[in-house]
Amino acid sequence: AQSVAQPEDQVNVAEGNPLTVKCTYSVSGNPYLFWYVQYPNRGLQFLLKYITGDNLVKGSYGFEAEFNKSQTSFHLKKPSALVSDSALYFCAVRDGRSGGYNKLIFGAGTRLAVHP
Amino acid sequence: DVKVTQSSRYLVKRTGEKVFLECVQDMDHENMFWYRQDPGLGLRLIYFSYDVKMKEKGDIPEGYSVSREKKERFSLILESASTNQTSMYLCASRLTGTGELSPLHFGNGTRLTVT
Repeated sequence: AQSVAQPEDQVNVAEGNPLTVKCTYSVSGNPYLFWYVQYPNRGLQFLLKYITGDNLVKGSYGFEAEFNKSQTSFHLKKPSALVSDSALYFCAVRDGRSGGYNKLIFGAGTRLAVHP
Repeated sequence: DVKVTQSSRYLVKRTGEKVFLECVQDMDHENMFWYRQDPGLGLRLIYFSYDVKMKEKGDIPEGYSVSREKKERFSLILESASTNQTSMYLCASRLTGTGELSPLHFGNGTRLTVT
């Protein structure tokens, strides 16, 4: 089955501390992985993606993500959190099935709260 | 920048009404998508269109239909609105043919309440 799991509904972190938002996946074929962020009353914005190559992917707003094939994970990280990073974060994976049309399958989302 | 515009930010409709949600993108993208977003469930794909006049069912198409007569416009239709269709609806588009999988570009969403 094609699926994405975000095991934490909410992550709380103090401003200035490192943050990690977890994502694991199950997919046919090569995993194409994405992270999106949603600020209040807005649509989703693209942060970064992994298609192939270096396992550490850098994206917008200082975020990065590490692809780990053996653990089927793609955790989102940032070395120093900002209050303005508080938002809802979604992990997504390409539907790799034949006839999947490259659709994206989204996780349930993780709410990140960064406290001053 | 790509702009994906959803015609209404908030809608309130009555049970049984026919509801049209409109989405327009300005970057000549081939693929367009309709998702609904519900707390704890993430985004679920309702329908998508990989080109003009083409449409495919997503994971939860029941109670919905779509129309794509022009490349820039993708409409979601609730044939007879029901209270369980109260949700946030998100439209997205994507460019194809770049040699790798391009990201989705989302509109700001339409929050639909069916009473």
